[in-house]
Amino acid sequence: GENVEQHPSTLSVQEGDSAVIKCTYSDSASNYFPWYKQELGKGPQLIIDIRSNVGEKKDQRIAVTLNKTAKHFSLHITETQPEDSAVYFCAASMKRQNTGFQKLVFGTGTRLLVSP
Amino acid sequence: NAGVMQNPRHLVRRRGQEARLRCSPMKGHSHVYWYRQLPEEGLKFMVYLQKENIIDESGMPKERFSAEFPKEGPSILRIQQVVRGDSAAYFCASSPGGVQGQLWGEQYFGPGTRLTVT
Repeated sequence: GENVEQHPSTLSVQEGDSAVIKCTYSDSASNYFPWYKQELGKGPQLIIDIRSNVGEKKDQRIAVTLNKTAKHFSLHITETQPEDSAVYFCAASMKRQNTGFQKLVFGTGTRLLVSP
Repeated sequence: NAGVMQNPRHLVRRRGQEARLRCSPMKGHSHVYWYRQLPEEGLKFMVYLQKENIIDESGMPKERFSAEFPKEGPSILRIQQVVRGDSAAYFCASSPGGVQGQLWGEQYFGPGTRLTVT
């Protein structure tokens, strides 16, 4: 079935600490895994993504890892800052057999709070 | 380079009225996706359109909801005879597209339309 589980639902850290958010997916054919940051009253903003042919990708303080065997992927934020506070969503592509169309299925979100 | 634009940002409708939500994709993007987000929940896929074509509407309710992406102008999500349960944030995303069955481009989201049904 189509399912992406995301944990934790809330995460509180002190400024400068690291934050890790984990997602698992159900479709072994999934091959694209983006992460979005959503601030209050705004649309989701793509912050990093990874495709199934790589295991890790980094962009400054943000990194994403992918374990295809275990069907899970994680977002790592180092040296967190108060402006990192937001809701973070993971997503996984899932393919419809009859159309070949790949749609994104989203996790339920993680509310990250970074305290100064 | 303007991003995805949606309007209106906020829309209030009484039960039974029609709601029309508009989305202009990023320049150069020919693929549009609509999502619905209920409070404290993730985004649920509704429909995927290319110019003048609905590619996948598997997430859209069969009744009262329709979507289009005409050759000229923005994509429109229309909800007829709205009910209180339609109250949500509706987001549009666009991508440059790709070859069917292959990875498609990254999806970029607009700011959303928050629909309130009274």
